Amino acid sequence: DTGVSQDPRHKITKRGQNVTFRCDPISEHNRLYWYRQTLGQGPEFLTYFQNEAQLEKSRLLSDRFSAERPKGSFSTLEIQRTEQGDSAMYLCASSYPGVGGGGTEAFFGQGTRLTVV
Amino acid sequence: AQTVTQSQPEMSVQEAETVTLSCTYDTSESDYYLFWYKQPPSRQMILVIRQEAYKQQNATENRFSVNFQKAAKSFSLKISDSQLGDAAMYFCAYRSRLSNTGKLIFGQGTTLQVKP
Repeated sequence: DTGVSQDPRHKITKRGQNVTFRCDPISEHNRLYWYRQTLGQGPEFLTYFQNEAQLEKSRLLSDRFSAERPKGSFSTLEIQRTEQGDSAMYLCASSYPGVGGGGTEAFFGQGTRLTVV
Repeated sequence: AQTVTQSQPEMSVQEAETVTLSCTYDTSESDYYLFWYKQPPSRQMILVIRQEAYKQQNATENRFSVNFQKAAKSFSLKISDSQLGDAAMYFCAYRSRLSNTGKLIFGQGTTLQVKP
């Protein structure tokens, strides 16, 4: 296993179009996270899955955003009717339950850079 | 709500020298984790070092060490014998031990330049 994989790496879309990103976590990791990172800023939490269940969503995740993780494996993040403010790097991370609260360390993918023109 | 603040947008260090990156955080919780992550240009974020709040001893990982001051809510990263490969953006992050989600709260980041 080579780590967390995200596809595509880059996406340019016109305002108003829908886009979908995919994340393949490390195979034995049941926890999956999506973060958004704007230029020069730290990542901000968007949503969390434990297996196939979406257990937490940030208020940053507007109605235009939806995430799924069917069968607890890969995950998709869809943005409908994209806006210029959606331009950012979308990062996926995964982790294993481990002991103690919150699981083991998070492993990150290389991200999908979205540009809305 | 927890917050993490990195007040140094950019830092530079001469190769082989030592540099310290600062981080402060705010929380009402007593049990949590703190992390430093490194994000090289166009590459994925990787964990540098982790500290459990209940441990008084500062974490070390080879050339990387932290100064964890729980009462002051301060968590700085010291990089010794800096190498060109250390050039990256560094993020300080907080994770609650009480919350079962394991989500990370990041600071704004510090860009580290290493001069040959």
